[in-house]
Amino acid sequence: KAGVTQTPRYLIKTRGQQVTLSCSPISGHRSVSWYQQTPGQGLQFLFEYFSETQRNKGNFPGRFSGRQFSNSRSEMNVSTLELGDSALYLCASSLSLQDKYNEQFFGPGTRLTVL
Amino acid sequence: AQTVTQSQPEMSVQEAETVTLSCTYDTSESNYYLFWYKQPPSRQMILVIRQEAYKQQNATENRFSVNFQKAAKSFSLKISDSQLGDTAMYFCAFMNRGTGANSKLTFGKGITLSVRP
Repeated sequence: KAGVTQTPRYLIKTRGQQVTLSCSPISGHRSVSWYQQTPGQGLQFLFEYFSETQRNKGNFPGRFSGRQFSNSRSEMNVSTLELGDSALYLCASSLSLQDKYNEQFFGPGTRLTVL
Repeated sequence: AQTVTQSQPEMSVQEAETVTLSCTYDTSESNYYLFWYKQPPSRQMILVIRQEAYKQQNATENRFSVNFQKAAKSFSLKISDSQLGDTAMYFCAFMNRGTGANSKLTFGKGITLSVRP
C-alpha cells in the first residue's frame, strides 16, 4: 500500500505570491492533518480535515487555508507569502478521526522556500 | 493549553548502548495520549511508540520502551542496543482525546540523537 504522498516536494516562491500544496493520504484513510515545521517554532498544527470538513484549526493567520476533496485528497493554500512561511509542510493521514489516537502516518513533506 | 518540553537539544550514544530521551508535558486533561515520533534525515516522520494515559503499564516496542510517570507528567523514551539506524530527530508529542481544539498533536522541540559506530 502506498504511503502518504505530497507534491511538490520542493517549492521556491517570492514574497507576496501564493502557493498550493497537495497531499494524498494512504488509500482508505479519510482524516488528513497538516503541520508546519520550522527550526525556530518546531512542529505546529495547521488544520485537520475529515469527510471534506475542517474539524480543527491551529493558530495561524487567515492566509493559511485548506480543503479536502471527496477522494480524501487535501490541499493547503498560503496566500501573500511572507519570508517566515519558509518551512517544511507535513501532511499526515489516519483511517478515521478515532484512529488518529493510534497513529498518524506522515508524508515526506513539501519544502517551501520564500525569497 | 498543552505544552511539551524536551530540554535536551541533542544526545550522542555509542552503538549497542542504551540511551534515554526525556520529555515532560503539561496538561489539565485526564484522557490523553503520548507519542514518540522519529524523523530520520530523509524527513519522513514515523511513530516509534505510543502510550495511553489511563494505562499504568509502560509501553514497549522491541528495543524501545517508555517510562510514563503520570503524576510527574514525564514521558521518557529508552532505546536499548542502539543501532546506527536510530540516528534521527525524536519528537515527543501529546494528543488530548475528544473533539476540542486540543485534539491534535502537540510536539516538543525535538532532540537530535546521533549513534556513533
